[in-house]
Amino acid sequence: EVQLVESGGGLVQPGGSLRVSCAASGFTFTSYSMTWVRQAPGKGLEWVANIKNDGGVKHYLESVKGRFTISRDNAKNSLDLQMSSLRAEDSAVYYCVRVCSSGWSECLDYWGRGARVTVSS
Amino acid sequence: QSVLTQPPSVSAAPGQKVTISCSGSSSNIGKNYVSWYQQLPGTAPKLLIYDINKRPSGIPDRFSGSKSGTSATLGITGLQTGDEADYYCATWDNSLNDVLFGGGTKLTVL
Repeated sequence: EVQLVESGGGLVQPGGSLRVSCAASGFTFTSYSMTWVRQAPGKGLEWVANIKNDGGVKHYLESVKGRFTISRDNAKNSLDLQMSSLRAEDSAVYYCVRVCSSGWSECLDYWGRGARVTVSS
Repeated sequence: QSVLTQPPSVSAAPGQKVTISCSGSSSNIGKNYVSWYQQLPGTAPKLLIYDINKRPSGIPDRFSGSKSGTSATLGITGLQTGDEADYYCATWDNSLNDVLFGGGTKLTVL
């Protein structure tokens, strides 16, 4: 059974940093690209970042470029999102999501339960 | 405001059919596959349709997808109260190199 379990969310002050992590199991992690998608309270879904299966290529939402870093450890089947210079508008539930293939796609077939990040003073 | 445009809400009676539209452009829907996601209240989204009209294992054939030009449509037949949820379309955008989501449509089964 495919499982994606996020951890590391919480409350952080504006300008602060936070890392959310995702533990993957039940599938061959190295065969799939991975994605972070976020959802602000009462709002829709927003794609944040992609990383290819081998970790060699990454894409970011324009508004998080230079502030967020997506990474993966294929030996540990884990995915991270390091967030810095956080702003109130980054407050959201962050979902760890598996892409349907090893490439880029809008097909996202397994989602974690999400980690809540709140940026507030 | 999302690049992909969906109606904010739709409603229909149990047993009826409903369609949800998703309008984009030539750089996204016009050239790429479309997926649809269902988000039940308080839960994570779930893949409903991918590659325009394919259903993952376990998704009933009451759900269907189609695409014409720069628009895509999700159809749901035999509506059930359990279908009440938010529905999102998604596609790749060749100009932005991003995954785009529609703004979401809230389905109410009256």
